[in-house]
Amino acid sequence: KNQVEQSPQSLIILEGKNCTLQCNYTVSPFSNLRWYKQDTGRGPVSLTIMTFSENTKSNGRYTATLDADTKQSSLHITASQLSDSASYICVVSAGGGTYKYIFGTGTRLKVLA
Amino acid sequence: EAGVVQSPRYKIIEKKQPVAFWCNPISGHNTLYWYRQNLGQGPELLIRYENEEAVDDSQLPKDRFSAERLKGVDSTLKIQPAELGDSAVYLCASSLGTSGEIETQYFGPGTRLLVL
Repeated sequence: KNQVEQSPQSLIILEGKNCTLQCNYTVSPFSNLRWYKQDTGRGPVSLTIMTFSENTKSNGRYTATLDADTKQSSLHITASQLSDSASYICVVSAGGGTYKYIFGTGTRLKVLA
Repeated sequence: EAGVVQSPRYKIIEKKQPVAFWCNPISGHNTLYWYRQNLGQGPELLIRYENEEAVDDSQLPKDRFSAERLKGVDSTLKIQPAELGDSAVYLCASSLGTSGEIETQYFGPGTRLLVL
Protein backbone atom coordinates (compact mmCIF):
# COMPACT_ATOMS: atom_id res chain seq x y z
CA LYS A 1 0.00 0.00 0.00
CA ASN A 2 1.30 3.44 -0.94
CA GLN A 3 1.97 5.41 2.23
CA VAL A 4 3.79 8.53 3.34
CA GLU A 5 4.68 8.86 7.01
CA GLN A 6 6.02 11.99 8.61
CA SER A 7 7.72 12.63 11.91
CA PRO A 8 7.54 14.22 14.30
CA GLN A 9 3.82 14.95 14.35
CA SER A 10 4.52 18.30 15.97
CA LEU A 11 7.56 20.29 16.96
CA ILE A 12 8.23 23.42 18.99
CA ILE A 13 11.52 25.29 18.61
CA LEU A 14 12.93 28.67 19.52
CA GLU A 15 13.43 31.34 16.91
CA GLY A 16 16.85 31.14 15.31
CA LYS A 17 17.25 27.40 15.88
CA ASN A 18 17.51 24.78 13.15
CA CYS A 19 15.22 21.79 12.79
CA THR A 20 14.79 18.72 10.60
CA LEU A 21 11.55 17.08 9.59
CA GLN A 22 11.41 13.50 8.37
CA CYS A 23 9.41 11.76 5.66
CA ASN A 24 9.41 8.01 4.96
CA TYR A 25 7.47 6.58 2.06
CA THR A 26 6.46 3.28 0.53
CA VAL A 27 5.30 4.44 -2.89
CA SER A 28 5.92 2.54 -6.07
CA PRO A 29 6.59 3.41 -8.75
CA PHE A 30 8.20 6.65 -7.66
CA SER A 31 8.11 9.83 -9.71
CA ASN A 32 8.94 12.72 -7.43
CA LEU A 33 8.76 13.98 -3.85
CA ARG A 34 7.56 17.40 -2.79
CA TRP A 35 7.56 19.38 0.39
CA TYR A 36 4.75 21.87 0.98
CA LYS A 37 4.30 24.53 3.63
CA GLN A 38 0.73 25.10 4.78
CA ASP A 39 -0.08 28.11 6.92
CA THR A 40 -3.20 27.89 9.07
CA GLY A 41 -6.28 28.60 7.00
CA ARG A 42 -4.39 28.58 3.73
CA GLY A 43 -3.66 26.14 0.94
CA PRO A 44 -0.29 24.37 0.71
CA VAL A 45 2.58 26.17 -1.00
CA SER A 46 5.29 24.21 -2.78
CA LEU A 47 8.80 24.46 -1.29
CA THR A 48 10.76 21.87 -3.26
CA ILE A 49 10.25 19.12 -5.83
CA MET A 50 12.83 16.34 -6.24
CA THR A 51 12.99 13.55 -8.77
CA PHE A 52 14.64 10.16 -8.36
CA SER A 53 18.04 11.43 -9.46
CA GLU A 54 18.17 14.43 -7.13
CA ASN A 55 19.33 14.03 -3.56
CA THR A 56 19.25 17.61 -2.35
CA LYS A 57 17.45 20.80 -3.22
CA SER A 58 17.35 24.16 -1.50
CA ASN A 59 14.85 27.00 -1.38
CA GLY A 60 16.23 29.78 0.77
CA ARG A 61 16.50 28.53 4.34
CA TYR A 62 14.76 25.27 3.40
CA THR A 63 16.88 22.31 2.26
CA ALA A 64 15.31 19.02 1.28
CA THR A 65 17.18 15.75 0.91
CA LEU A 66 16.12 12.54 -0.74
CA ASP A 67 17.50 9.03 -0.38
CA ALA A 68 15.63 6.99 -2.96
CA ASP A 69 17.32 3.78 -1.84
CA THR A 70 15.99 3.97 1.71
CA LYS A 71 12.87 5.89 0.63
CA GLN A 72 13.49 8.69 3.06
CA SER A 73 13.44 12.45 2.77
CA SER A 74 14.13 15.26 5.19
CA LEU A 75 13.41 18.96 5.26
CA HIS A 76 15.95 21.06 7.12
CA ILE A 77 15.03 24.57 8.20
CA THR A 78 17.95 26.83 9.04
CA ALA A 79 17.77 29.81 11.39
CA SER A 80 14.04 29.47 11.96
CA GLN A 81 11.76 32.50 11.96
CA LEU A 82 8.37 33.06 13.53
CA SER A 83 6.87 32.94 10.03
CA ASP A 84 8.06 29.35 9.66
CA SER A 85 5.27 28.29 12.03
CA ALA A 86 3.09 26.12 9.81
CA SER A 87 2.40 22.54 8.82
CA TYR A 88 4.93 20.93 6.50
CA ILE A 89 3.54 18.24 4.24
CA CYS A 90 5.52 15.63 2.33
CA VAL A 91 3.92 14.43 -0.91
CA VAL A 92 5.10 11.55 -3.06
CA SER A 93 3.97 11.16 -6.63
CA ALA A 94 3.48 7.62 -7.86
CA GLY A 95 4.76 7.77 -11.40
CA GLY A 96 3.96 5.82 -14.48
CA GLY A 97 1.47 8.39 -15.64
CA THR A 98 -0.89 7.70 -12.75
CA TYR A 99 -0.84 11.24 -11.37
CA LYS A 100 -1.38 9.76 -7.92
CA TYR A 101 -0.18 12.10 -5.19
CA ILE A 102 0.14 10.52 -1.75
CA PHE A 103 0.11 13.13 0.99
CA GLY A 104 1.59 12.70 4.44
CA THR A 105 -0.31 13.99 7.46
CA GLY A 106 2.23 16.74 8.01
CA THR A 107 4.45 18.01 10.79
CA ARG A 108 3.07 20.98 12.70
CA LEU A 109 5.94 23.35 13.51
CA LYS A 110 5.68 26.13 16.05
CA VAL A 111 8.49 28.67 16.32
CA LEU A 112 8.56 30.65 19.55
CA ALA A 113 10.18 34.04 20.13
CA GLU B 1 -0.70 37.60 -10.85
CA ALA B 2 -3.78 36.32 -9.04
CA GLY B 3 -3.54 32.89 -7.49
CA VAL B 4 -6.19 30.22 -7.34
CA VAL B 5 -9.43 31.77 -6.13
CA GLN B 6 -12.04 29.84 -4.19
CA SER B 7 -15.40 30.80 -2.80
CA PRO B 8 -16.97 30.78 -0.39
CA ARG B 9 -14.20 30.64 2.21
CA TYR B 10 -16.53 29.25 4.85
CA LYS B 11 -19.85 27.45 4.69
CA ILE B 12 -22.08 26.13 7.45
CA ILE B 13 -25.06 24.00 6.47
CA GLU B 14 -27.38 21.48 8.01
CA LYS B 15 -27.09 17.86 6.99
CA LYS B 16 -29.06 16.79 3.94
CA GLN B 17 -28.74 20.27 2.44
CA PRO B 18 -26.90 20.83 -0.85
CA VAL B 19 -23.71 22.88 -1.08
CA ALA B 20 -21.51 24.08 -3.91
CA PHE B 21 -17.94 25.31 -4.07
CA TRP B 22 -16.40 27.39 -6.81
CA CYS B 23 -12.83 27.56 -8.05
CA ASN B 24 -11.10 29.88 -10.50
CA PRO B 25 -7.64 28.51 -11.39
CA ILE B 26 -4.59 30.50 -12.37
CA SER B 27 -4.97 31.85 -15.88
CA GLY B 28 -3.52 29.48 -18.45
CA HIS B 29 -3.49 26.46 -16.18
CA ASN B 30 -5.03 23.49 -17.95
CA THR B 31 -5.06 21.02 -15.06
CA LEU B 32 -7.37 21.50 -12.11
CA TYR B 33 -7.63 19.41 -8.96
CA TRP B 34 -10.18 19.20 -6.15
CA TYR B 35 -8.94 17.87 -2.82
CA ARG B 36 -10.59 17.23 0.53
CA GLN B 37 -8.57 17.81 3.67
CA ASN B 38 -9.82 16.52 6.99
CA LEU B 39 -8.58 18.10 10.21
CA GLY B 40 -5.01 17.07 10.94
CA GLN B 41 -4.68 15.12 7.71
CA GLY B 42 -3.11 15.67 4.34
CA PRO B 43 -5.30 16.48 1.32
CA GLU B 44 -6.92 13.63 -0.59
CA LEU B 45 -7.60 13.94 -4.30
CA LEU B 46 -11.26 13.93 -5.31
CA ILE B 47 -11.03 14.70 -9.01
CA ARG B 48 -8.53 15.92 -11.60
CA TYR B 49 -9.41 17.75 -14.78
CA GLU B 50 -7.35 18.29 -17.87
CA ASN B 51 -9.09 21.16 -19.60
CA GLU B 52 -12.79 20.28 -19.40
CA GLU B 53 -12.27 16.52 -19.18
CA ALA B 54 -12.37 14.72 -15.83
CA VAL B 55 -9.44 12.35 -16.27
CA ASP B 56 -9.42 10.93 -12.72
CA ASP B 57 -12.55 10.86 -10.60
CA SER B 58 -11.91 7.48 -9.00
CA GLN B 59 -11.92 8.96 -5.46
CA LEU B 60 -15.05 11.07 -5.94
CA PRO B 61 -18.07 9.68 -4.02
CA LYS B 62 -20.37 9.80 -6.98
CA ASP B 63 -23.55 9.09 -5.08
CA ARG B 64 -23.51 12.57 -3.57
CA PHE B 65 -20.61 14.47 -5.13
CA SER B 66 -20.50 15.98 -8.58
CA ALA B 67 -18.14 18.35 -10.33
CA GLU B 68 -17.95 20.22 -13.56
CA ARG B 69 -15.47 22.39 -15.38
CA LEU B 70 -17.26 24.14 -18.15
CA LYS B 71 -15.10 25.63 -20.90
CA GLY B 72 -12.02 24.26 -19.17
CA VAL B 73 -11.60 27.21 -16.81
CA ASP B 74 -13.72 27.63 -13.66
CA SER B 75 -14.92 24.60 -11.79
CA THR B 76 -17.65 23.82 -9.28
CA LEU B 77 -17.85 20.98 -6.82
CA LYS B 78 -21.26 20.06 -5.43
CA ILE B 79 -22.43 17.87 -2.58
CA GLN B 80 -26.05 16.82 -2.43
CA PRO B 81 -27.13 15.88 0.15
CA ALA B 82 -24.39 16.77 2.61
CA GLU B 83 -23.60 14.44 5.51
CA LEU B 84 -21.91 15.14 8.83
CA GLY B 85 -18.75 13.38 7.63
CA ASP B 86 -18.38 15.83 4.77
CA SER B 87 -17.15 18.50 7.17
CA ALA B 88 -13.65 19.31 5.90
CA VAL B 89 -11.65 21.84 3.93
CA TYR B 90 -12.12 21.56 0.18
CA LEU B 91 -9.03 22.67 -1.69
CA CYS B 92 -8.75 23.53 -5.36
CA ALA B 93 -5.37 23.46 -7.09
CA SER B 94 -4.20 24.10 -10.63
CA SER B 95 -1.10 23.46 -12.70
CA LEU B 96 0.05 24.27 -16.21
CA GLY B 97 -0.65 20.80 -17.52
CA THR B 98 2.35 20.75 -19.84
CA SER B 99 5.06 19.06 -17.77
CA GLY B 100 3.36 15.91 -16.54
CA GLU B 101 3.61 14.70 -12.98
CA ILE B 102 6.63 16.86 -12.11
CA GLU B 103 4.94 20.23 -12.35
CA THR B 104 4.02 22.39 -9.41
CA GLN B 105 0.46 22.52 -8.15
CA TYR B 106 -0.78 25.87 -6.88
CA PHE B 107 -3.42 25.66 -4.20
CA GLY B 108 -6.24 28.01 -3.35
CA PRO B 109 -7.08 28.94 0.25
CA GLY B 110 -9.82 26.34 0.46
CA THR B 111 -13.45 26.32 1.50
CA ARG B 112 -14.04 25.22 5.07
CA LEU B 113 -17.33 23.29 5.27
CA LEU B 114 -19.11 22.52 8.50
CA VAL B 115 -22.14 20.25 8.34
CA LEU B 116 -24.37 20.39 11.41
